[in-house]
Amino acid sequence: EVQLVESGGDLVQPGGSLRLSCAASGFTFSYYWMHWVRQAPGKGLVWVSRINTDGSSTKYADSVEGRFTISRDNAKNTLYLQMNSLRDEDTAVYYCVRDVSGLEYWGQGTLVTVSS
Amino acid sequence: DIQMTQSPSSLSASVGDRVTITCRASQGIRNDLGWYQQKPGKAPKRLIYAASSLQSGVPSRFSGSGSGTEFTLTISSLQPEDFATYYCLQHNNYPRTFGQGTKVEIK
Repeated sequence: EVQLVESGGDLVQPGGSLRLSCAASGFTFSYYWMHWVRQAPGKGLVWVSRINTDGSSTKYADSVEGRFTISRDNAKNTLYLQMNSLRDEDTAVYYCVRDVSGLEYWGQGTLVTVSS
Repeated sequence: DIQMTQSPSSLSASVGDRVTITCRASQGIRNDLGWYQQKPGKAPKRLIYAASSLQSGVPSRFSGSGSGTEFTLTISSLQPEDFATYYCLQHNNYPRTFGQGTKVEIK
């Protein structure tokens, strides 16, 4: 069974940093591109970032470019999102998503709250 | 960026009704479109990929159509468990972009 389990969400002050993790199981993690998508409270879905299978290629939304870094450790079957210089508007549930002809399978999400 | 315009933003329908949701892309995206269902407090679930292919395990009352710039999600006979918010997503170009969502409520 495919499982994606996010962790690392927390309450952080503006300007702070946080690293999210996504533990994958039930499939060969290294074969798949992966994404992060976020959803602010009561709002719609927003794509954040994508990484290819070996981590050599990444893409970011303009709103997080230069502040967030996506990475992966295929030996640990884990996807990461390093978030720096956090802003109030980064408050959201962050989902990790497997890519199969688009965004296929979603984790349950982890909540990041940026507030003083 | 490709803009995805989804309509309506909400609708009220009864069990057994036929429901249609539309997404329009600001430029052609071939058939690089998926449809997602999200229930409160839950992660989105993909229903349709490649515009018209049914995701494994999804009931056949869900169907998708379209190509290029106009896409449709149809629920042929609305069931109680279908009351949720639906989103389209284009994966033709970066950044990936979602429609703003359609909330399907009980009439």
